[in-house]
Amino acid sequence: AQRVTQPEKLLSVFKGAPVELKCNYSYSGSPELFWYVQYSRQRLQLLLRHISRESIKGFTADLNKGETSFHLKKPFAQEEDSAMYYCALRVIQGAQKLVFGQGTRLTINP
Amino acid sequence: KAGVTQTPRYLIKTRGQQVTLSCSPISGHRSVSWYQQTPGQGLQFLFEYFSETQRNKGNFPGRFSGRQFSNSRSEMNVSTLELGDSALYLCASSLEQGAWNGYTFGSGTRLTVV
Repeated sequence: AQRVTQPEKLLSVFKGAPVELKCNYSYSGSPELFWYVQYSRQRLQLLLRHISRESIKGFTADLNKGETSFHLKKPFAQEEDSAMYYCALRVIQGAQKLVFGQGTRLTINP
Repeated sequence: KAGVTQTPRYLIKTRGQQVTLSCSPISGHRSVSWYQQTPGQGLQFLFEYFSETQRNKGNFPGRFSGRQFSNSRSEMNVSTLELGDSALYLCASSLEQGAWNGYTFGSGTRLTVV
């Protein structure tokens, strides 16, 4: 079965501190992973795709197939990073869907 | 270009009623998916449509249905509403050609069942 686990429901760090949001997945196929972010009163938006290996707003995420993880990292947190973060796995079985983790609410303290 | 548009933004319905939600995808996007978001269950996949055909369905009762029109607009319907159907319903669209760039989500329709 496909599953995405985000072990931390809440994460609070101080501005300027490093941030790591954990994501682990379970999938028998070739994984394709995403991070989505939802700022207060805004729509869910794509932050990162593992395929593109890009850095958005200072965030990076590396797919580790051995550990089945896709942790999101940022070296220096900013107050505007406070949001809800969702890790998602694209599942293709004929059709496609995204399987989301439960989300981590990140709060950056001044 | 315009994003994914969902209407209405808010709905209040009574138990037992039915409701129809609408979604207009980004121009050129032919795949439309629906998700239910609740504090307890998080984001749960409802169904996916492509070229007016339902390609995939999540683990929801038959009271939840949907359809897609020739212009890619989609509707979802929930009949015989229950209190537990109160949620934010999100629509997402995506391109099918080339590398998949992920979904673009709408702002959602917040349904409250009383």
